[in-house]
Amino acid sequence: GAGVSQSPSNKVTEKGKDVELRCDPISGHTALYWYRQRLGQGLEFLIYFQGNSAPDKSGLPSDRFSAERTGESVSTLTIQRTQQEDSAVYLCASSPGGRAAGNTIYFGEGSWLTVV
Amino acid sequence: GESVGLHLPTLSVQEGDNSIINCAYSNSASDYFIWYKQESGKGPQFIIDIRSNMDKRQGQRVTVLLNKTVKHLSLQIAATQPGDSAVYFCAENMATSGTYKYIFGTGTRLKVLA
Repeated sequence: GAGVSQSPSNKVTEKGKDVELRCDPISGHTALYWYRQRLGQGLEFLIYFQGNSAPDKSGLPSDRFSAERTGESVSTLTIQRTQQEDSAVYLCASSPGGRAAGNTIYFGEGSWLTVV
Repeated sequence: GESVGLHLPTLSVQEGDNSIINCAYSNSASDYFIWYKQESGKGPQFIIDIRSNMDKRQGQRVTVLLNKTVKHLSLQIAATQPGDSAVYFCAENMATSGTYKYIFGTGTRLKVLA
């Protein structure tokens, strides 16, 4: 597609349930990022995929969080046994990747997760 | 983790005045920087970028200044308009373990007063 696409756009789930959030990056972009943004706060880095390299998972807050990416396409962020503190917008972004300078990243509109 | 949650500082500016939003970045080896604008309920949108071999870059009504000595970025918005009300983030692109990733600043909320 023309931009980064995320689904679902909104998700309300009960505490303790698992959720999956999906990201379709811009075609041809090798780098993919997940960020978390709590209401009224900044962007918290979660995980970064670059091509076939091992992902940088240094931002995942707990072992309840995991993410996968198939090749250079779709990525899924999974949150197991959700807690109320997981309520946030989960933003996905992609970039052409490779050498850093000049590789702007583009964001999706986010998946708004509410845990009740 | 990086850019952990902090409540956003707010800058209030009168419509028509110039705005200056500041950002301190963390890594002296970062070589590419971007400013993003995030409107309520939307994802961040690219505004302007700058490479580390420059100290100033101008766009339409916006200027980014880079001071590598003190690791400081600023975004200047000329003749601020109501549509400029948003949260503004700076991002640095830094090498880590042979890969590159973007780290975002805390963000600043810009409120334009009529």
